[in-house]
Amino acid sequence: GAVVSQHPSWVICKSGTSVKIECRSLDFQATTMFWYRQFPKQSLMLMATSNEGSKATYEQGVEKDKFLINHASLTLSTLTVTSAHPEDSSFYICSATPGERGSYEQYFGPGTRLTVT
Amino acid sequence: GESVGLHLPTLSVQEGDNSIINCAYSNSASDYFIWYKQESGKGPQFIIDIRSNMDKRQGQRVTVLLNKTVKHLSLQIAATQPGDSAVYFCAENPQGGYNKLIFGAGTRLAVHP
Repeated sequence: GAVVSQHPSWVICKSGTSVKIECRSLDFQATTMFWYRQFPKQSLMLMATSNEGSKATYEQGVEKDKFLINHASLTLSTLTVTSAHPEDSSFYICSATPGERGSYEQYFGPGTRLTVT
Repeated sequence: GESVGLHLPTLSVQEGDNSIINCAYSNSASDYFIWYKQESGKGPQFIIDIRSNMDKRQGQRVTVLLNKTVKHLSLQIAATQPGDSAVYFCAENPQGGYNKLIFGAGTRLAVHP
């Protein structure tokens, strides 16, 4: 149980284009989803917190107009990287939490490798 | 600012030995801590967690110790195996509830036969 999937697992796009990454909780309803970015040999950096039906909360320094997050249902959140540039190339990871009382655990997706050429 | 750091960026051990990975955290209000294992090209995998009202918790071959006095967290892996080779992250929940995690820098564990 508690499986989170991401699609695509990897994507290559040209500079200036937009890319959408999906995060799905497969066997539970996720009241909250989180999006992280990870550069090589570095830790996970939280980009934003996404609650179903409301606007995402972005961390300081993360451009909300560049990284569009939509959490339209309790099982799906999407991250769209708009006008991607080579410096946006990274490993993007989502996590989801059921939000059950007393449960703090986040379940992570397998990540999406984005390469911008 | 808030941060979670690690003392050792890399750790090399012999197969069969016990491994200890350390982590320091800075927010004394954090009430939940988690260790994750991340293999190359994959998402983090939950290993074990501990609440702030505990100082030790054991799982299968793993033990987490929490010392709130010095704000230190450690992960002990017994009888380390080649499959344990990965990067290990500690994370803290500084706000409680269903809120964001702050990740440490990570320690790479290399297990040699």
